[in-house]
Amino acid sequence: EIVLTQSPATLSLSPGERATLSCRASQSVSNYLAWYQQKPGQAPRLLIYDASNRATGIPARFSGSGSGTDFTLTISSLEPEDFAVYYCQQRDNWPFTFGPGTKVDIK
Amino acid sequence: EVQLVESGGGLVQPGGSLRLSCAASGFTFSNYWMHWVRQAPGKRLVWVSRIARDGTTTSYADSVKGRFTISRDNAENTLYLQMNSLRGDDTAVYYCVGDHGYWGQGTLVTVSS
Repeated sequence: EIVLTQSPATLSLSPGERATLSCRASQSVSNYLAWYQQKPGQAPRLLIYDASNRATGIPARFSGSGSGTDFTLTISSLEPEDFAVYYCQQRDNWPFTFGPGTKVDIK
Repeated sequence: EVQLVESGGGLVQPGGSLRLSCAASGFTFSNYWMHWVRQAPGKRLVWVSRIARDGTTTSYADSVKGRFTISRDNAENTLYLQMNSLRGDDTAVYYCVGDHGYWGQGTLVTVSS
């Protein structure tokens, strides 16, 4: 099973600041890496698929990069609604797996 | 508008069974692989099972293999998860997910005596 680790566990930032979240895989997942946003009591929302493609309706301030084992989600300028937990997920090998999440909270 | 609506969750005793359903609308259901993902309270997301577009191929997480069965009815646009021999660590919100990236709102399964 491919293990995903995310860093940092918590990121404390102010609105308008840039957020950089990292995800590392225990083995190569090619570019089959997605990012999700989850708010309390809600289902996850797909932000990025295949490492760098924004899902339908996702604002341009969200961007993804990376391939192989190292990936990054960048939020260029945090909006109030962006404070949430972010998960990475690989679909290169079954079982698909998620990282433990990075919580982005308000500083 | 894409909609995935789960139902069938609830409280069940250890060793019991439940059948979850997911009613899909707003897209051509038979064109997409479908999945079940669960999240225990305060825990990370876990992919439980997946099923091919025509239902002929299925996969399961090791933790549910032999106890859970995924199926679909493309004529009724519905995904199912039959859960048998339920255990306390199966307690979670269960989400129906399509390969297009859309998720249902989830249904809570609680396994407790």
